[in-house]
Amino acid sequence: QQQVKQSPQSLIVQKGGISIINCAYENTAFDYFPWYQQFPGKGPALLIAIRPDVSEKKEGRFTISFNKSAKQFSLHIMDSQPGDSATYFCAASYDFNKFYFGSGTKLNVKP
Amino acid sequence: DTAVSQTPKYLVTQMGNDKSIKCEQNLGHDTMYWYKQDSKKFLKIMFSYNNKELIINETVPNRFSPKSPDKAHLNLHINSLELGDSAVYFCASSNLGELFFGEGSRLTVL
Repeated sequence: QQQVKQSPQSLIVQKGGISIINCAYENTAFDYFPWYQQFPGKGPALLIAIRPDVSEKKEGRFTISFNKSAKQFSLHIMDSQPGDSATYFCAASYDFNKFYFGSGTKLNVKP
Repeated sequence: DTAVSQTPKYLVTQMGNDKSIKCEQNLGHDTMYWYKQDSKKFLKIMFSYNNKELIINETVPNRFSPKSPDKAHLNLHINSLELGDSAVYFCASSNLGELFFGEGSRLTVL
């Protein structure tokens, strides 16, 4: 049973557009929600993360929106650039011990 | 200076063979992990060690045996390799929060 469900599986966005990736979870014990970015041939790297006591976190062009009651969170990439083309993973964790990853979204930003 | 390094980067081997992947981290983290990424990019945790002690052991066949000689190293040994073991294996470390991943070891079983 997948603990974190992610959509869409793939996404094509024009340069300058907004990329939106959604995730949903069931376990209310989760208390840490990171997003990871993975380029081909590399390991995933932390992009941005949020705790459930805030509804939004912004770092540059990247924003996480968090809806605790709906058990959903999403990543918004503003002004998407070709260099943002990568696979994005949402994840959830409790006690920072075990991280459950979503199935990944392959983002392609067209020039 | 690479934070989490794993070797080898590529492994091609025959079914039934035994192979090992080594991982070292120089971040001073207490917790290390092995993740498996399949052909559909799904990342699944296999094992987690905290200061050389096994704390997470997912439902992984016992052909997979992790070993942590010290808190900076976590190796993965796989016996009797099967076709379904083909994947990219990632080592990671963390210290209460961010996971730092290695670049992965791509295992191909023929």
